[in-house]
Amino acid sequence: DQQVKQNSPSLSVQEGRISILNCDYTNSMFDYFLWYKKYPAEGPTFLISISSIKDKNEDGRFTVFLNKSAKHLSLHIVPSQPGDSAVYFCAAYRGGTSGTYKYIFGTGTRLKVLA
Amino acid sequence: DTEVTQTPKHLVMGMTNKKSLKCEQHMGHRAMYWYKQKAKKPPELMFVYSYEKLSINESVPSRFSPECPNSSLLNLHLHALQPEDSALYLCASSQTGNYGYTFGSGTRLTVV
Repeated sequence: DQQVKQNSPSLSVQEGRISILNCDYTNSMFDYFLWYKKYPAEGPTFLISISSIKDKNEDGRFTVFLNKSAKHLSLHIVPSQPGDSAVYFCAAYRGGTSGTYKYIFGTGTRLKVLA
Repeated sequence: DTEVTQTPKHLVMGMTNKKSLKCEQHMGHRAMYWYKQKAKKPPELMFVYSYEKLSINESVPSRFSPECPNSSLLNLHLHALQPEDSALYLCASSQTGNYGYTFGSGTRLTVV
């Protein structure tokens, strides 16, 4: 049961344009949502997060949007740069103890920014 | 120092071996984590340590035994593993209450 899904395994975008990465979740009890970037042979790098009580958070070129009614979040990268080429994971967090604690990663989207 | 360091980077072990994975951070983070990632799959949480105490165990088989000797170190002891345990093992840390983790580069484990 994949509670956090990224339905697009890959995405190609021209340099300077907007990249939009999407993520859907099934559990309405998550407290925070996060985006990570992963290069080959490295661990994931935290990019940006959003609390479940907000609908937008912005940090430089990265903006995350949360639509709770649709159980959907997206990451916008503007403008896209070749160095942004990586695999992007969304993640969802819910605090608690064993059995209720959740920190679940999505399946990942490989972004390729074309020069 | 803003890194999580994992050693070794690669490990090949037999099913009867005992080995340990090590993770170290000097950022003052009091929460540390072990994740397992299989090829083309997302990382999956195994253990959470908070203030050197095991707080979350995601029903991981006992052939994986975590240990947190102090606030900077996290070990994962491996014994009698199966070939299906071959994966990338990632360590991460965070400030408690901070949900963005700092990950290490991982140990790629192959069980033969």
